[in-house]
Amino acid sequence: EVQLVESGGGLVQPGGSLRLSCAASGFTFSSYEMNWVRQAPGKGLEWVSYISSSGSTIYYADSVKGRFTISRDNAKNSLYLQMNSLRAEDTAVYYCARVDRVAGSDYWGQGTLVTVSS
Amino acid sequence: SSELTQDPAVSVALGQTVRITCQGDSLRSYYASWYQQKPGQAPVLVIYGKNNRPSGIPDRFSGSSSGNTASLTITGAQAEDEADYYCNSRDSSGNHPWVFGTGTKVTVL
Repeated sequence: EVQLVESGGGLVQPGGSLRLSCAASGFTFSSYEMNWVRQAPGKGLEWVSYISSSGSTIYYADSVKGRFTISRDNAKNSLYLQMNSLRAEDTAVYYCARVDRVAGSDYWGQGTLVTVSS
Repeated sequence: SSELTQDPAVSVALGQTVRITCQGDSLRSYYASWYQQKPGQAPVLVIYGKNNRPSGIPDRFSGSSSGNTASLTITGAQAEDEADYYCNSRDSSGNHPWVFGTGTKVTVL
């Protein structure tokens, strides 16, 4: 069974940092591309960042470029999102999602809440 | 980056048919995937590709595409289909690989 479990969310002050983790199991993690997607309270889904299976190709949404860093450790079956210079508008539930080349983001974690507030 | 536009809300009578649309330039090049999201839950993939359902998704969900518009149809809507629905596709603009639609709230009356 495919499982994705996010962790690392919490309350952080504006300008602070946070590192999210996503533990993957039930599939060959190193064979799949991965996405981070977020959802602000009461709002829609927003794609945040993408990483290829090897980690060699990375993309970011304009809203987080230069502040967030996506990475992965295929030996540990883990995906990460380092978030720096956090802003109130980064407040959201952050989901990691497995990317299937045909289906898109086919499996999602349960999400982790990040709240940026003083 | 490209945008995918959806109607904010639609309603359907129990047992009737509802179609949700998604418009955007990227849909001329890529199929849409569709996600169902219920309050407090993660999105669930319901349709992908030309018209494919993941295991466990009822066959009352179907997808289609024409030009720059993708559609999700629920034939014989059930109370449990009340949810937010999002389309998603590759982004043909080149700088961002993925884009999500604005979302449609489906209410089953």
